[in-house]
Amino acid sequence: AQSVAQPEDQVNVAEGNPLTVKCTYSVSGNPYLFWYVQYPNRGLQFLLKYITGDNLVKGSYGFEAEFNKSQTSFHLKKPSALVSDSALYFCAVRDKGDDKIIFGKGTRLHILP
Amino acid sequence: DTAVSQTPKYLVTQMGNDKSIKCEQNLGHDTMYWYKQDSKKFLKIMFSYNNKELIINETVPNRFSPKSPDKAHLNLHINSLELGDSAVYFCASRGKTGELFFGEGSRLTVL
Repeated sequence: AQSVAQPEDQVNVAEGNPLTVKCTYSVSGNPYLFWYVQYPNRGLQFLLKYITGDNLVKGSYGFEAEFNKSQTSFHLKKPSALVSDSALYFCAVRDKGDDKIIFGKGTRLHILP
Repeated sequence: DTAVSQTPKYLVTQMGNDKSIKCEQNLGHDTMYWYKQDSKKFLKIMFSYNNKELIINETVPNRFSPKSPDKAHLNLHINSLELGDSAVYFCASRGKTGELFFGEGSRLTVL
């Protein structure tokens, strides 16, 4: 069975600084990996995904993530944080050939002005 | 034009009542999901349908019954509501490249 871990409940970053939100996963086969963002009282919005190919994937709002197979990680990054990036971020995994998509517990990102 | 829409957005009801949440997507996707988000923001998968066929049925009390009349609709009916059912329920549809498109959620409060 697949699983996903987000080890940090909260990440605080000063505006303009780079940010990283961590995610590690476990699957039996090949992973499909996703990041989503949730603003207060809203549904989740898709940011980016890794299916195959280049390990560095770029997504919406300047976010990117790097797939690392040996470390089973898929950390979310952004070179320069904005106050408007403050939100709840979820990593998700799907095992190839399985329809189940499992979410991490979420990491709250605070960007300090 | 909303891609995934859920109704109602809010439900407040008494223990023991029955309630339904409706979901519709206009994206032409084949696969839809229900997730439950609790007060700690944990997202738990409940059900998934592919073109009207149930494909995922997690460990959910049988008071919860999904129904998909066609591939654009996935409804959730809950019988004999309990306090622990209070949560935000999200419907989502899955695109061809795997990402989920979520509705805005239906917040259920059981008193």
